[in-house]
Amino acid sequence: AQTVTQSQPEMSVQEAETVTLSCTYDTSESNYYLFWYKQPPSRQMILVIRQEAYKQQNATENRFSVNFQKAAKSFSLKISDSQLGDTAMYFCAFMNNNNDMRFGAGTRLTVKP
Amino acid sequence: DAGVIQSPRHEVTEMGQEVTLRCKPISGHDYLFWYRQTMMRGLELLIYFNNNVPIDDSGMPEDRFSAKMPNASFSTLKIQPSEPRDSAVYFCASSFLQGLADTQYFGPGTRLTVL
Repeated sequence: AQTVTQSQPEMSVQEAETVTLSCTYDTSESNYYLFWYKQPPSRQMILVIRQEAYKQQNATENRFSVNFQKAAKSFSLKISDSQLGDTAMYFCAFMNNNNDMRFGAGTRLTVKP
Repeated sequence: DAGVIQSPRHEVTEMGQEVTLRCKPISGHDYLFWYRQTMMRGLELLIYFNNNVPIDDSGMPEDRFSAKMPNASFSTLKIQPSEPRDSAVYFCASSFLQGLADTQYFGPGTRLTVL
């Protein structure tokens, strides 16, 4: 069974600084998808970034980028130039080709002014 | 702890039928969330409860969807009548707000197929 581990329950960063959230997963499959979701206080889930396992190039979305290490089964999220609006819970998620999805427990990120 | 339990794991039904999804949160957790996951829209929050009381149901797509939490250990999400576009994976999650920490634990999901 696939598992997703986020080892940092809480993190904080100063505004304009860079922060990296870690995520590791366990699977025996070779092709799958990885996601980072953001959940602000409104509770809505917002897709931040998506990575297909067969792509070697790390996904990037504006200030958000990932460091995907397939061999190490690691999928960390880097937020550059942190903004106050980035304060939220961040969930790492894994999905296989059968659309079975697993989530990490989340990391609460606080951006301090 | 067994974690968040959802049933059934898979549900196949025909259009127009009533569907009931069930969730048992982790004991002691006072928040419960229902999400829907589709490839087109990703993960959407449908509704969440705090101490069995619905707090925000703005994500519920239509009146065909309803959710209840009669007690701290059980919640249902009902679709009546079901439509093919309701096909998705439905996740339940629970959490316990302790200080600023609000880690959500997700259940395995219920895969719903409406034919």
